[in-house]
Amino acid sequence: TQLLEQSPQFLSIQEGENLTVYCNSSSVFSSLQWYRQEPGEGPVLLVTVVTGGEVKKLKRLTFQFGDARKDSSLHITAAQPGDTGLYLCAGAWNYGQNFVFGPGTRLSVLP
Amino acid sequence: DAGITQSPRHKVTETGTPVTLRCHQTENHRYMYWYRQDPGHGLRLIHYSYGVKDTDKGEVSDGYSVSRSKTEDFLLTLESATSSQTSVYFCAISERQGNMNSPLHFGNGTRLTVT
Repeated sequence: TQLLEQSPQFLSIQEGENLTVYCNSSSVFSSLQWYRQEPGEGPVLLVTVVTGGEVKKLKRLTFQFGDARKDSSLHITAAQPGDTGLYLCAGAWNYGQNFVFGPGTRLSVLP
Repeated sequence: DAGITQSPRHKVTETGTPVTLRCHQTENHRYMYWYRQDPGHGLRLIHYSYGVKDTDKGEVSDGYSVSRSKTEDFLLTLESATSSQTSVYFCAISERQGNMNSPLHFGNGTRLTVT
């Protein structure tokens, strides 16, 4: 079974701080997705990355896919309380394979 | 928001009883999935469906069965619930399987407690 690891598991920061969370695997991804999940709701897709070295931005969120397509990072600039939630990465190692989810990083942004 | 409705939203049941969770979609997506979410494990795939009456196992399928008699409905059954099946269950849908252009859309989950 191919596994995804996410770090850190928990992160608590003050409003206005920057942070980075990580997702990695020992195998090469064909594509990788990031989701955010708020309490009592299902995960919602933030972004999909496919190409090694790819960088995508979504307002204050910056997503990077590693050159070797084995890892990805999510950087949040000037975090806000509304960014609080569980951040999940999901990877597929082969086209048409179901995505496998990592355990998530639980972020808490304090006002 | 994708039209996905899970029912019930909360359920408490006793060990050994059968339980059925329902997922209903209004998007006419071909693929439907059942996941369970537990602390430290993220989302783990139980079963999925790629069409009416077409289903396959995921990584944690033991103790669960599914049925899909209509495009819009996907049922998850615990034949004899055990305490280890206490979890939050999510239904998801997608147009294509494992495709970068076809994200998963999730329902809001069913919290199941087996006492």
